[in-house]
Amino acid sequence: NAGVTQTPKFRVLKTGQSMTLLCAQDMNHEYMYWYRQDPGMGLRLIHYSVGEGTTAKGEVPDGYNVSRLKKQNFLLGLESAAPSQTSVYFCASSLGHETYNEQFFGPGTRLTVL
Amino acid sequence: AQKVTQAQTEISVVEKEDVTLDCVYETRDTTYYLFWYKQPPSGELVFLIRRNSFDEQNEISGRYSWNFQKSTSSFNFTITASQVVDSAVYFCALSGMDGAGNNRKLIWGLGTSLAVNP
Repeated sequence: NAGVTQTPKFRVLKTGQSMTLLCAQDMNHEYMYWYRQDPGMGLRLIHYSVGEGTTAKGEVPDGYNVSRLKKQNFLLGLESAAPSQTSVYFCASSLGHETYNEQFFGPGTRLTVL
Repeated sequence: AQKVTQAQTEISVVEKEDVTLDCVYETRDTTYYLFWYKQPPSGELVFLIRRNSFDEQNEISGRYSWNFQKSTSSFNFTITASQVVDSAVYFCALSGMDGAGNNRKLIWGLGTSLAVNP
């Protein structure tokens, strides 16, 4: 099993450009999450999904959109990138609700917005 | 409100020393869960342990041990005989269920960066 994979691993964008981050998991997990990690801020939840076709806002959703058309994939989109979105992005999945289920994380995507 | 505090931002030890990472939490829920995750320099977070509020038994896994004390709202993590490979950022996290049985989102601490020097 590959677990959770993320594409791409690194990306540099100019302000105003758009991009999509792809997360894929092969564990048949229902729940998937997108986090951002910034120095001194810890992990902050952007959006999450409790199943195929569903999405919900997390702690810091502004400037991002997500889609979960297939159970194994969770896409994170930036429509108009801003320097404040420079961060490391992590995707995670869990079998059930995060309240009592461990999360499995991808390797991260380092995004720089100039 | 729920809160997780990891007061130690950075810790540096010499190999073979024992080290304890502190985690203090705040919650009014009677049912809650505590987690520890490890983030090595490679970046990927790895689950270490989960504890629920009804299980106060301490846990030992090899050189790792966890001390859960509800009386002090703490869930501390000890590494015995530390090794260079233990160098990582360690995160404590808290979730729970409110009085109506609704699941709460996971709350993350800011992490403790542990450096184990040869």
